[in-house]
Amino acid sequence: AQRVTQPEKLLSVFKGAPVELKCNYSYSGSPELFWYVQYSRQRLQLLLRHISRESIKGFTADLNKGETSFHLKKPFAQEEDSAMYYCALNTGFQKLVFGTGTRLLVSP
Amino acid sequence: EPEVTQTPSHQVTQMGQEVILRCVPISNHLYFYWYRQILGQKVEFLVSFYNNEISEKSEIFDDQFSVERPDGSNFTLKIRSTKLEDSAMYFCASGQDGFYEQYFGPGTRLTVT
Repeated sequence: AQRVTQPEKLLSVFKGAPVELKCNYSYSGSPELFWYVQYSRQRLQLLLRHISRESIKGFTADLNKGETSFHLKKPFAQEEDSAMYYCALNTGFQKLVFGTGTRLLVSP
Repeated sequence: EPEVTQTPSHQVTQMGQEVILRCVPISNHLYFYWYRQILGQKVEFLVSFYNNEISEKSEIFDDQFSVERPDGSNFTLKIRSTKLEDSAMYFCASGQDGFYEQYFGPGTRLTVT
């Protein structure tokens, strides 16, 4: 079965602190993984895809196939990073399987 | 930058009524999707649509649901006889290919009373 697990509903940090949003997946094939972000009252937007190995807004994510993880990291959180973050898996069958999301709250 | 648009932003309907949710995907995209998010739950896939036909659907997408691309620009989701449990945020998405990035609309909040 295809499944994405985000164990933390809420992650609260202070500005400047490191952030790690956890994501684990279950899929027997070769996964394509994404992080989507939803700022307050805005649409879901793509933050990162593992295939491009890029850094967006200081965030990075590495696919670890051994641990079936795709954790999202940022070394120094900013207040404007406060949002809902969703990890998603595309198994190649034209659908995204989402995790339950983690709300990141960055306090000044 | 082109965006996916959805109308209405909020729809209130009575149980048993039909609703049509509308989406305008990004113009050069070929793949279209509907997802829903019940309050407090995760975003769930409903259906994907390519080349004027459904390419995949979830078990949620039963006979009460249908999708259509009536005129080459709009993409609609119809719920024939709404139930209370259909209350959710419905997101439309589109993509250039079927495997990579999907661009999401702002969502339509459907409230069934």
